[in-house]
Amino acid sequence: DTAVSQTPKYLVTQMGNDKSIKCEQNLGHDTMYWYKQDSKKFLKIMFSYNNKELIINETVPNRFSPKSPDKAHLNLHINSLELGDSAVYFCASSQATHVPHEQYFGPGTRLTVT
Amino acid sequence: GDSVTQMEGPVTLSEEAFLTINCTYTATGYPSLFWYVQYPGEGLQLLLKATKADDKGSNKGFEATYRKETTSFHLEKGSVQVSDSAVYFCALTTPGFQKLVFGTGTRLLVSP
Repeated sequence: DTAVSQTPKYLVTQMGNDKSIKCEQNLGHDTMYWYKQDSKKFLKIMFSYNNKELIINETVPNRFSPKSPDKAHLNLHINSLELGDSAVYFCASSQATHVPHEQYFGPGTRLTVT
Repeated sequence: GDSVTQMEGPVTLSEEAFLTINCTYTATGYPSLFWYVQYPGEGLQLLLKATKADDKGSNKGFEATYRKETTSFHLEKGSVQVSDSAVYFCALTTPGFQKLVFGTGTRLLVSP
């Protein structure tokens, strides 16, 4: 039973292309997140949605656009990909009413831009 | 802003050695503290947590105590195994803010 799943696991594409990464959670959580992990393993939050509403947007270029069709899904669309977008992207989820806000992570999507 | 500082890695140990990974934090509110572990090629897993001063989180032989006076949450294990080789992340959240703020991660390498 996969709690937080992401597709695809690997994504190789060329500069300038547009791509999407999908995330689904079956934990019944109301909050979902996207994190970016760079080549040095540093993790930084990009976005957070609560009940389909954007609540965190951390100075991410507007080429990145998250979309939450329902509470269980949070997709990440990236326009005009650049070399610097190469990273591992992690989706996570939590329940806002549970303190502390334990987050459960997906397996990651390794994006390589050539 | 809120931040977490971890010791630089890699930490290289022999099996059954004692492990300490240091973590200190800066936060404007009263944070909850976490340790996450990332095994090679995998996502992050919550290892343990603590929500208030003097709380001790523990799991799989790992422990960490929330020390408000020293703003620290050091990770310890009495006897490491090869299977503990991974990257360990210290992290915090503050009340009202649902994002995790991570340290830079510490790679642990355990040899037989």
